[in-house]
Amino acid sequence: DIQMTQSPSLLSASVGDTVTITCRASPGIGNWLAWYQQRPGRAPRSLIYASSTLESGVPSRFSGSISGTNFTLTISSLQPEDFAIYSCQQYDTFPPTFGGGTKVE
Amino acid sequence: QVQLVESGGGVVQPGTSLRLSCAASGFTFSRHAMHWVRQAPGKGLEWVAAIWHDGTKEYYADSVKGRFTVSRDNSKNTLFLQMQSLRVEDTAVYHCVRDWQIAAGAIYYFEDWGQGTLVTVSS
Repeated sequence: DIQMTQSPSLLSASVGDTVTITCRASPGIGNWLAWYQQRPGRAPRSLIYASSTLESGVPSRFSGSISGTNFTLTISSLQPEDFAIYSCQQYDTFPPTFGGGTKVE
Repeated sequence: QVQLVESGGGVVQPGTSLRLSCAASGFTFSRHAMHWVRQAPGKGLEWVAAIWHDGTKEYYADSVKGRFTVSRDNSKNTLFLQMQSLRVEDTAVYHCVRDWQIAAGAIYYFEDWGQGTLVTVSS
């Protein structure tokens, strides 16, 4: 199975900060990576697919990028509703696999 | 607006069975592959099972293969997960998830999620 290594597992930030979360895929997965947000009591939400394409309705402060086998989720100007858990997922190779998650608190 | 509402979770003993359901609305259910994805307490997300839009193909994670069966009723817009020989390590919130792909297998990009139903396996 493809191993997705996500870091950090915990990120402390304040409203207005810019935060960065990273996932590394081993072996490589092209650009077939998605990012999801989980807020307490709510269904997980898809944010980004194909490494950098924003889902409809996702604020533009969210962005994704790729460099080789490293993938980055950046949240600019963090808002109160952004404090959540973020997970990456590869869908290049069966079975699909997720990173361990990053809690932004 | 896509809605996925899971039901059927509960507390069960190891070795027993449970059937989860997912009622789908807000989209053409019969045109999308569907999945179950679970999250154990304090752990990351884990894909469990997939079923093609027309029900002709099913795929499973190794951890549940031979014990879980995914099915669907397109006439009732409902997805199911039959779980047998449950183990303590199956304890998790089970999410019903819609695949992005339309009428052509699955791409395993999880576009829409339900809130989940909790399954607790404990003696």
